[in-house]
Amino acid sequence: EADIYQTPRYLVIGTGKKITLECSQTMGHDKMYWYQQDPGMELHLIHYSYGVNSTEKGDLSSESTVSRIRTEHFPLTLESARPSHTSQYLCASSARTGAPEAFFGQGTRLTVV
Amino acid sequence: QKEVEQDPGPLSVPEGAIVSLNCTYSNSAFQYFMWYRQYSRKGPELLMYTYSSGNKEDGRFTAQVDKSSKYISLFIRDSQPSDSATYLCAMENTNAGKSTFGDGTTLTVKP
Repeated sequence: EADIYQTPRYLVIGTGKKITLECSQTMGHDKMYWYQQDPGMELHLIHYSYGVNSTEKGDLSSESTVSRIRTEHFPLTLESARPSHTSQYLCASSARTGAPEAFFGQGTRLTVV
Repeated sequence: QKEVEQDPGPLSVPEGAIVSLNCTYSNSAFQYFMWYRQYSRKGPELLMYTYSSGNKEDGRFTAQVDKSSKYISLFIRDSQPSDSATYLCAMENTNAGKSTFGDGTTLTVKP
């Protein structure tokens, strides 16, 4: 069982609200990632981090922002939610060295109404 | 053109069939080749990975990598209804620091 946790699992929120999706891992992994995935569709990397104070934008442009102040914590923030942000958001982590296995959280299913 | 192309599916097979899932890629720097399985409404989980070329077997699952053709496959023998899921290939070179995923193939194994 992977030790990576996302909260909340489900979120329904109104347009214009600010939201933060939480992601924490207890494996001491340096690398962490945020993916966006619509139902039945491909994974899109939106943010990643190689360690504390490191953040990079992913392959898919996103209006969200991330921070990495602690190794175990990688929150994603949307300043003003819109219906187009409705999707599933998956957080993952992997070790810096060795096999590049990514451990995924259960995901946050976000609906903006 | 995407770096990683995966056979789109969906795939529907009877229980007990042999399943072949395939990906091609264009980046010759990829060294790690991975297969993830994703059940509905869950995050992906790693099934197996290979480093460089060759085959790797784990129970009913066999991963093959042909770097000369830039082609990888996952074979599932004696498929079971519990194998019904979306399968994603992923690849990484050791300098990139992040994996490139295929779009996934959805498999349904009918009892």
